[in-house]
Amino acid sequence: DTAVSQTPKYLVTQMGNDKSIKCEQNLGHDTMYWYKQDSKKFLKIMFSYNNKELIINETVPNRFSPKSPDKAHLNLHINSLELGDSAVYFCASSQGIGTANQPQHFGDGTRLSIL
Amino acid sequence: QKEVEQDPGPLSVPEGAIVSLNCTYSNSAFQYFMWYRQYSRKGPELLMYTYSSGNKEDGRFTAQVDKSSKYISLFIRDSQPSDSATYLCAMSNPDGGYNKLIFGAGTRLAVHP
Repeated sequence: DTAVSQTPKYLVTQMGNDKSIKCEQNLGHDTMYWYKQDSKKFLKIMFSYNNKELIINETVPNRFSPKSPDKAHLNLHINSLELGDSAVYFCASSQGIGTANQPQHFGDGTRLSIL
Repeated sequence: QKEVEQDPGPLSVPEGAIVSLNCTYSNSAFQYFMWYRQYSRKGPELLMYTYSSGNKEDGRFTAQVDKSSKYISLFIRDSQPSDSATYLCAMSNPDGGYNKLIFGAGTRLAVHP
């Protein structure tokens, strides 16, 4: 049973399109995250939600909009895709916020390629 | 300058070798230090975490934190081909929120039989 699952695994699309990535966790966690990993493997946080409330919002273009319909789901919608958006996007979840010993569990990523 | 620096490698060692992986950081407020392992085409998985300075051992893995030097290490004893992966260090501080992890770029390790 996959703990943090993302769909789709691969996404190839044209510049200028709008696309969404979905994430679901079955761990009962109340905090979820989106990370971006670029071609040099550098993993950077984008957003975090706790119980459907936005708690971390890094410097990300406003073309990226996260949505959390409930605490088990966190989706990422991207408008007007650009070449620089090509990356692997990881969803993660953890229990609680502001606690030092609650590890983040990651999904296997969505590989986004912009043509 | 990045907040967390990590040599990307690749690091290639024979099976059975002791591997040393390292990160340096610039923010002295970091209190919580982690090592994640990432296999190809998979998400990172937590290997070990330590809070503040000191050592922590788990099986073949030992994590060390030297806050005075802003330097953390992960040692892998008796390395196995299954240890071949990218190892990412990550850290956080109370002001930024413990859940806001800052990652290094990752070191790619290859253990050959």
